[in-house]
Amino acid sequence: EVQLVESGGGLVQPGGSLRLSCSASGFTFSSYAMHWVRQAPGKGLEYVSAISSNGGSTYYADSVKGRFTISRDNSKNTLYLQMSSLRAEDTAVYYCVKDRGVGIQLWTFDYWGQGTLVTVSS
Amino acid sequence: DIQMTQSPSSLSASVGDRVTITCQASQDISNYLNWYQQKPGKAPKLLIYDASNLETGVPSRFSGSGSGTDFTFTISSLQPEDIATYYCQQYDNLPRLTFGGGTKVEIK
Repeated sequence: EVQLVESGGGLVQPGGSLRLSCSASGFTFSSYAMHWVRQAPGKGLEYVSAISSNGGSTYYADSVKGRFTISRDNSKNTLYLQMSSLRAEDTAVYYCVKDRGVGIQLWTFDYWGQGTLVTVSS
Repeated sequence: DIQMTQSPSSLSASVGDRVTITCQASQDISNYLNWYQQKPGKAPKLLIYDASNLETGVPSRFSGSGSGTDFTFTISSLQPEDIATYYCQQYDNLPRLTFGGGTKVEIK
């Protein structure tokens, strides 16, 4: 059974930093691209970032480019999102998401974690 | 960025009704469109990929169609467990993929 478990969310002041982690199990982690998608309270879904299966390629939404860094450790089956220069508008539930494609990035999200809430406020 | 206009934003229907949601792209996205279901307090779930393909394990009352700029998502016979918000997602313009604004489906 595929499981994605996020951690690391919490309350942070504007301008601060936070690192999210996502522990994956139930599939061959190193064979799949992974993504982060966020959802502000009561709002819709917003794409954040992607990383290829070997970590060699990364992608970012314009809203987070230069502030967020996605990475992965395939030996630990773990995905990360390092967030810095946080703003109030970054407040959201952050979902760790698995790509549907094996060996190829399909940009289709077939498994989602339960999400971790990041609140940026003074 | 490609804008995805979903309509209606909410709807109320009776159990057994046919429900249709539309998603219009601001430019041609071929069939690079997915549909997700998000139940209250839960993570989204993939229902339809590549505009019309049913994800494994998803009930056949869900279907999708369309290509280019106009897409339709249908629930052939609404069930109480289908209460959720539904989102379309385009992945033609990478990595600037975008979601529609969502359609909240309620039981009348």
